[in-house]
Parts: sequence; structure tokens; C-alpha cells
Amino acid sequence: EAGVAQSPRYKIIEKRQSVAFWCNPISGHATLYWYQQILGQGPKLLIQFQNNGVVDDSQLPKDRFSAERLKGVDSTLKIQPAKLEDSAVYLCASSSTGEQPQHFGDGTRLSIL
Amino acid sequence: KQEVTQIPAALSVPEGENLVLNCSFTDSAIYNLQWFRQDPGKGLTSLLLIQSSQREQTSGRLNASLDKSSGRSTLYIAASQPGDSATYLCAVRGATDSWGKLQFGAGTQVVVTP
Repeated sequence: EAGVAQSPRYKIIEKRQSVAFWCNPISGHATLYWYQQILGQGPKLLIQFQNNGVVDDSQLPKDRFSAERLKGVDSTLKIQPAKLEDSAVYLCASSSTGEQPQHFGDGTRLSIL
Repeated sequence: KQEVTQIPAALSVPEGENLVLNCSFTDSAIYNLQWFRQDPGKGLTSLLLIQSSQREQTSGRLNASLDKSSGRSTLYIAASQPGDSATYLCAVRGATDSWGKLQFGAGTQVVVTP
């Protein structure tokens, strides 16, 4: 089966600019996760979708981050405006249900200048 | 709040030696614990998942143990190879979490030298 696809792989922007990441989960997976992984740290969950509904966004900085999941399939994560501390790898993962193991994409590495 | 710690942060061993990686967590009320591998520039690959009712899981050269009462898990990798060089992360899912949220440690970076 095809894995979780993410794009772009790398992105460099200046602070205060906006950026968007895209994720295509494994076909049929109802649960989708966005994680932020800062260098030297473990991934931190930003937002979790069950189909196209949000079930956890407690750690999402809602003043600058937004995410949506269109028709319960693809998802986009947006940052506007970006800050220096947003430099990180943004990982997308999916699972068939919240009970099943998560499958991760290769992530988008974001650098803020 | 659950805290997950992995010590050491980095480890270097000669090829053939057994690897022992440690993970500790502060809240013993967990649903399961998972070990992942992360290669540079890549996402996470699940290695082993231990349910809270289990004591250990094995897959090939990998063996993971879980002592829930003491808040510890250990990942053993037998007869290490240079291809085992990667960062290893553990993650726990809380017993009351309905949606599969994982709390990760910061990982142990492993280098196996030929």
C-alpha cells in the first residue's frame, strides 16, 4: 500500500510570511495527525482529525496555526504569520482508527529566516 | 501530565554489541507503549507495540519489555549492525485517551560503528 505522502519536503521562508503543508494519508485511514518535531525533541501532537472532524487541537497555537481536512481525506496545515520558533519538521501520520498504529510520512522541514 | 524521558540522549557502540535503550514515564496509567525508529530526514517507523497487559514483545533481533508499575520500558537490540544506526523514540498512549494520542520521548540517537 502507498504510504503517507507529504509535500513539500523542504521550505524556507522569512518570519512573518505564511506557509502551507499538505498531507495525503493512506487510503481508507479515518484518523489523521499533524505533529511538530523541533530539533532534538520528540514529536508533539498539534491536531488530530477523525474523518473531517477535529478531536484534539489542544496544543495547536490557534492564533497562527490552522488546519483542515477536506472531505475526510487530504489535509493542509497553515502557519500565518510564521515565527522563528516555528522552525521544525512537520510530520503527518494516519491510522485506520485511533486504536491502530500510526503510519508516518517523511515530513516537511521548515526553516524560518 | 505524562512525561516521557529517554536516557541517554546518544549512544555509540561497536558492531556486534547488544544495545539497551531506556524509556521512563511518570504516569503508569497507560494503554500501550510503542517504540519507533527515525532515520535522518525521514518519518517514524513503528518497531514494537506493547499493550499495557503485556510484559514484552519480540520481533527478530528486537525485544521490548514493559514494567508499568515502575514506569519503565527497555528496548534490546541484539548483535547490533551499522544499519541499526538511527534515533529510537518511545511513545505512550494514556489509558483514558479515546483517540490514540501519543506522548513521545526525545529519543536516543544510536551510532553503531563497524
